[in-house]
Amino acid sequence: QKEVEQNSGPLSVPEGAIASLNCTYSDRVSQSFFWYRQYSGKSPELIMSIYSNGDKEDGRFTAQLNKASQYVSLLIRDSQPSDSATYLCAVKTQGAQKLVFGQGTRLTINP
Amino acid sequence: DVKVTQSSRYLVKRTGEKVFLECVQDMDHENMFWYRQDPGLGLRLIYFSYDVKMKEKGDIPEGYSVSREKKERFSLILESASTNQTSMYLCASSPGFRREGGEETQYFGPGTRLLVL
Repeated sequence: QKEVEQNSGPLSVPEGAIASLNCTYSDRVSQSFFWYRQYSGKSPELIMSIYSNGDKEDGRFTAQLNKASQYVSLLIRDSQPSDSATYLCAVKTQGAQKLVFGQGTRLTINP
Repeated sequence: DVKVTQSSRYLVKRTGEKVFLECVQDMDHENMFWYRQDPGLGLRLIYFSYDVKMKEKGDIPEGYSVSREKKERFSLILESASTNQTSMYLCASSPGFRREGGEETQYFGPGTRLLVL
């Protein structure tokens, strides 16, 4: 079982709709969770980090964390074509210096 | 703003050449990382460093070495480049535990696309 799993997609969403990206992780002592966006040919850029159970909102983005179920999700409201990218989920376990990345979900927003 | 820079965006080398990839960060971060990214394989950690002259192997260290002589600079070395090392190489840095209030968000450089012929 992979440590961090994401559906590779592609996930296709119409413009203006809500895009929902999911990530599950296997290590129960994971404590920090990150979503990165990566455009084709570019490097990953941080969108959000979340450390506590519940929701965290930043503009059109909402991260949701459920440690009991070991999943973290990213919702993108009012999806725009510029949101088309690969979204990487990353997890850090307690005491570790490094992140474990999922394979990424490719998201396409259709005008 | 955190800035992580990499010495080259594109690089073409011959099999057997020694290759140096340089990464510099300007935020006084403790930790620095080297990844490679290949289609279908995601981001894979090669090496990381949590202090000057300190290094730890990641998931795929074979065929690579690293050097961190100064806090802001982390070099990846391909001792004898091979075609299977053709990839996108990404450097990242993070604040590190010893920074008060520091957390482990990693910030990435623009990447170096290496082609080994």
